[in-house]
Formats: sequence, structure tokens, C-alpha cells
Amino acid sequence: GAVVSQHPSRVICKSGTSVKIECRSLDFQATTMFWYRQFPKQSLMLMATSNEGSKATYEQGVEKDKFLINHASLTLSTLTVTSAHPEDSSFYICSAREGRQAFFGQGTRLTVV
Amino acid sequence: AQKVTQAQTEISVVEKEDVTLDCVYETRDTTYYLFWYKQPPSGELVFLIRRNSFDEQNEISGRYSWNFQKSTSSFNFTITASQVVDSAVYFCALIGNDYKLSFGAGTTVTVRA
Repeated sequence: GAVVSQHPSRVICKSGTSVKIECRSLDFQATTMFWYRQFPKQSLMLMATSNEGSKATYEQGVEKDKFLINHASLTLSTLTVTSAHPEDSSFYICSAREGRQAFFGQGTRLTVV
Repeated sequence: AQKVTQAQTEISVVEKEDVTLDCVYETRDTTYYLFWYKQPPSGELVFLIRRNSFDEQNEISGRYSWNFQKSTSSFNFTITASQVVDSAVYFCALIGNDYKLSFGAGTTVTVRA
């Protein structure tokens, strides 16, 4: 199957700083990528849909100014958590769409201290 | 809007027992895809199967089998002769016309030696 690479896999940052997470489709072009967040022992919740060359579409309740999404090319989408706080600590995972299939990155565990 | 329900929060079995995970879905789309993913403790999502709404054939892959019944909107997953390595959280998910994956709450499977 297609490969999606997400980096970094783990990051610890200080409160108030920003963190960028990258999601790359390695062997296919993804016009659409999705960003999910997963709190401990919970399911994956869609945060936003990232479309190449246009603004991301955010789900209800997700602050677009806090979670900046950029999809500058057909193989790369980035999620930047700005002014991170401890409550932003979570597991973030991206997926890239190819047709009706979704391929997931490895996920990023963010810890804000 | 899509909805995926996994009624079982946790299942604990002894090695070699069979375990069946239930998944019930709701969608107004006539064309949709159903998925099962495995999430081991390391966090990454492992794709197990995709089934489209027009294909109700049951599928077997090694110790895994899936039963898709459109009449009851169910897509159940059975692990036969479970092993300790099967311990993980399993998610059922659905993609409809909006191409967004809707996840169930997940079922935590614990296989004891």
C-alpha cells in the first residue's frame, strides 16, 4: 500500500512555544490530507481537512488560529500547534487520501510541559 | 453525517479463544467504504481491511475474518485462536461521499497468556 510518513514521532515542547508536524505522502500525490487528534483511551477525532493549494477546512470546535495547516504541495501537509499549552498534549495523526482509501502516518505524540 | 458505533469498550480473552468485535454504522450515502484498523500500544494505525458497500462477501485473512451485513448495517470482525500479539485497540471506520473517515470509539482487546 501507499506510504505516509509523519515527523516527528515524539516531541516535547515548553508551554507557549510552537510545534510543527509534517505529513508526507511518499509514493503518491494526495490532494487531500486529514489531521486527527486522539486523547488517551479515546477515539480519533477529525480536526481538519487539508486541500492542496487552498485553505484548510476545520471541524467545529477546532481553533484554526491555534492549529495552522498548510498544504503547499501534493505530497506535504504541515500542522503547526501555536502557543502550545499542556492541554494540547495529545497524539496527532495525519492521513492522506488516495481515492476512497486513507493511508495513515505513524502519528506524533506531543507533550507540552 | 456518518456514525460508527462499537458497543464493546473492552474485551478480555485467554489465548486461543475466539473474539468477535461488533461494529454498527449509520450513513445516508449509498456508496461508502468500511474499514478496520488496529492500534497497538505503540500508537500507529495498522490497516486491516477495506470493504465497499456493494460487496457483501465475507472475507477471511489468516486468523481474521469479517462479516458484512448491509441489512443490519453491521461489519463485525472476528479473531480466531487469539494470540497475545493481538492485544490492541481496534477501530471500525467509515468513509462516505465526503471522504472523511468517521471512527468508532474503539474496542480494547486484551489477550492473556
